[in-house]
Amino acid sequence: GAGVSQSPSNKVTEKGKDVELRCDPISGHTALYWYRQSLGQGLEFLIYFQGNSAPDKSGLPSDRFSAERTGGSVSTLTIQRTQQEDSAVYLCASRLPSAGGPPDTQYFGPGTRLTVL
Amino acid sequence: GENVEQHPSTLSVQEGDSAVIKCTYSDSASNYFPWYKQELGKGPQLIIDIRSNVGEKKDQRIAVTLNKTAKHFSLHITETQPEDSAVYFCAASNYQLIWGAGTKLIIKP
Repeated sequence: GAGVSQSPSNKVTEKGKDVELRCDPISGHTALYWYRQSLGQGLEFLIYFQGNSAPDKSGLPSDRFSAERTGGSVSTLTIQRTQQEDSAVYLCASRLPSAGGPPDTQYFGPGTRLTVL
Repeated sequence: GENVEQHPSTLSVQEGDSAVIKCTYSDSASNYFPWYKQELGKGPQLIIDIRSNVGEKKDQRIAVTLNKTAKHFSLHITETQPEDSAVYFCAASNYQLIWGAGTKLIIKP
């Protein structure tokens, strides 16, 4: 079956413009994560969706960042009024529900490389 | 909150030698410890994980050890090969994964 897909793979935008990044999780995976990875750095948690529960937005760095997940499947991360420091790779991951136990394997997409000029 | 420290940030070993990457965590309630490998231009992939009721787990050339008392866990790669070159991330969790900063492993031919 298909893995996690993300689009676009690369996005170059001008400072001040809005961008939308898309994530298609693995079918049946109810949990979905967005991470940011700056060049040569680790994974910075942004937001977490689990089923119909309210998302955990605790990692969003500012109110310019938002995300939604429609129909429990596809997710879109939106960055408004982009700044140069937003340049990074944005990774999406999905996993099966953990049924109250410890989290299980997260499956990552290839990421979207965002460059803000 | 939970914190995971990972060392070293860069590790260079001769092909065929062993590599060891270490992580420490702060939350004693953590009970799941995965390791992910990220190759250039790709997302991280799980390579091995261990749960808190186990002290060691092996899968061919890779192994993970867990010391719950000391709150640290390690990744061991034996007989390293060029394709092992990548960035490796550890993580710890009892609910959400908290990630280490990553180790860039370089295998010298």
